[in-house]
Amino acid sequence: NAGVMQNPRHLVRRRGQEARLRCSPMKGHSHVYWYRQLPEEGLKFMVYLQKENIIDESGMPKERFSAEFPKEGPSILRIQQVVRGDSAAYFCASSPSTGGDQPQHFGDGTRLSIL
Amino acid sequence: DAKTTQPTSMDCAEGRAANLPCNHSTISGNEYVYWYRQIHSQGPQYIIHGLKNNETNEMASLIITEDRKSSTLILPHATLRDTAVYYCIVRVSTSYDKVIFGPGTSLSVIP
Repeated sequence: NAGVMQNPRHLVRRRGQEARLRCSPMKGHSHVYWYRQLPEEGLKFMVYLQKENIIDESGMPKERFSAEFPKEGPSILRIQQVVRGDSAAYFCASSPSTGGDQPQHFGDGTRLSIL
Repeated sequence: DAKTTQPTSMDCAEGRAANLPCNHSTISGNEYVYWYRQIHSQGPQYIIHGLKNNETNEMASLIITEDRKSSTLILPHATLRDTAVYYCIVRVSTSYDKVIFGPGTSLSVIP
């Protein structure tokens, strides 16, 4: 029973490059959430997606960040023109449906380092 | 802002029960209490959740007070591998509600 799979586990980019983070939800889960954890800080919600739809992107920076969850394939979090401040751990979670009685299950994250 | 208050840190002797408190005095009738933990460099791990009744699973027990203003997560026999940051979260049950993580409690299990 595979859990939430994220890849790559570690990603190194130079300033100005693009970073692309992938998340495959648990089997049967159609709701995906992205969180960011800056060094020595707590997890912060970024965006919530269902298949082909962004439901809540209130935590995602307006510039350079985008997310998608296509009909086929994993969810992608894309960061364009990365800067040093984007260095963080990015976690993806999934759930079978929305609502507070459904736990979100997390992957082990992608650690993004910007040189 | 998180709707819960937890102690910043706690210690527990290995093999003893770890009791982690959480205050959620403004909780609404339709909000669940959730517990997650994050072991260093890993993703948050779901532990348990409950609405009104006490809950138990293979990992832990959740005790919710009758007025629902506070709860306690109990790890019955703590091991060194239980050393982690433990997050108490409240979530609305009836509709989409983003998960807001507070700073949590850093639990250290001491040999």
